[in-house]
Amino acid sequence: QKEVEQDPGPLSVPEGAIVSLNCTYSNSAFQYFMWYRQYSRKGPELLMYTYSSGNKEDGRFTAQVDKSSKYISLFIRDSQPSDSATYLCAIGNTDKLIFGTGTRLQVFP
Amino acid sequence: DGGITQSPKYLFRKEGQNVTLSCEQNLNHDAMYWYRQDPGQGLRLIYYSQIVNDFQKGDIAEGYSVSREKKESFPLTVTSAQKNPTAFYLCASSIGGGNWETQYFGPGTRLLVL
Repeated sequence: QKEVEQDPGPLSVPEGAIVSLNCTYSNSAFQYFMWYRQYSRKGPELLMYTYSSGNKEDGRFTAQVDKSSKYISLFIRDSQPSDSATYLCAIGNTDKLIFGTGTRLQVFP
Repeated sequence: DGGITQSPKYLFRKEGQNVTLSCEQNLNHDAMYWYRQDPGQGLRLIYYSQIVNDFQKGDIAEGYSVSREKKESFPLTVTSAQKNPTAFYLCASSIGGGNWETQYFGPGTRLLVL
């Protein structure tokens, strides 16, 4: 079993839809939870990070962490064509950071 | 304007050749990392350095070498021992201090084999 699992997609949604991206993890000692966005042929850019269970909101993005279920989510509200990218979760602690394989999202007008 | 730069953007390697990928940061970060990205496999850690003049092997270090002589620079050499080097290579940095959180990435170098 991989330490971090992420649905590869692709996910295709119409503009304005609410998008839910998810990752699961196996190590209960993990304490950092991050989401990166990667446009085609570019480096990943940090979108959101959190350390605790619950929700963290930043504009149209909400990061949700459920430590009891070892499950994290990224919600995108009012999705835009410019949100079309691959989204990577990253989960870890002071010893390591494990990246998910990424979910490719396509938002069509 | 702080950030991480990687060069070149594209690199071609011939059989038996060693090539070096450049990574420079002006974020004053102590820690730097090299990842390899292949389709469907996510990011895999090659080497990392938490401080100048010290570095550690990651999960897939075989066929690669690094140096960390300056805080700002962490070059990666892909040696001829790396039999499948075609990939997208990403350099990252973080504040360090033993933490792995909030890594910031460069734009990447795509390595292709001729």
